[in-house]
Amino acid sequence: AQTVTQSQPEMSVQEAETVTLSCTYDTSENNYYLFWYKQPPSRQMILVIRQEAYKQQNATENRFSVNFQKAAKSFSLKISDSQLGDTAMYFCAFMKHTGTASKLTFGTGTRLQVTL
Amino acid sequence: NAGVTQTPKFQVLKTGQSMTLQCAQDMNHEYMSWYRQDPGMGLRLIHYSVGAGITDQGEVPNGYNVSRSTTEDFPLRLLSAAPSQTSVYFCASSPTTPRGYEQYFGPGTRLTVT
Repeated sequence: AQTVTQSQPEMSVQEAETVTLSCTYDTSENNYYLFWYKQPPSRQMILVIRQEAYKQQNATENRFSVNFQKAAKSFSLKISDSQLGDTAMYFCAFMKHTGTASKLTFGTGTRLQVTL
Repeated sequence: NAGVTQTPKFQVLKTGQSMTLQCAQDMNHEYMSWYRQDPGMGLRLIHYSVGAGITDQGEVPNGYNVSRSTTEDFPLRLLSAAPSQTSVYFCASSPTTPRGYEQYFGPGTRLTVT
């Protein structure tokens, strides 16, 4: 079974600054996907970024980037130029690569507050 | 496309009552799933389906029942509600094509069992 650990329950960052959210996971699988989801106060789950484990290059999406360290089983999310709209819960998630869609295993989340 | 829709948005039940949470998607996704979200525990998988007529249990299936008669619909039934089932419930769907299998989530149903 896979486990996903987010060791930072809460974090705070000032607007325009950079913040990094941590995520580690445990798996015996070699092929898998990793995701970061954002959940703002509206409760909607929004995909932020996705990483395929077989790709060495770290994924980036505008102000969001990841630091994927496969050997260390680490998958951190960096948010650059933080904006007030980034205030949300952030969940790290793992999906085994089965050749089709499969279940997500989530971490417990990090609550990020962006302040003025 | 409406995406993934869930009804109702809020529900209060008494212990022992039964009800069905509805989930529908109009994206022709084969994979659908139900999660529950509790404070401090992230989202946990209840049941999932890889296509019409096929369902399987997730991490926390006890007290819940599902069926998948069509590709579009994946209802979640609470057989006899208990206070431990107070939670926010999310339905999600995903295509089964190699695009990273992004799961699309519905807006959630907040359920309170008294």
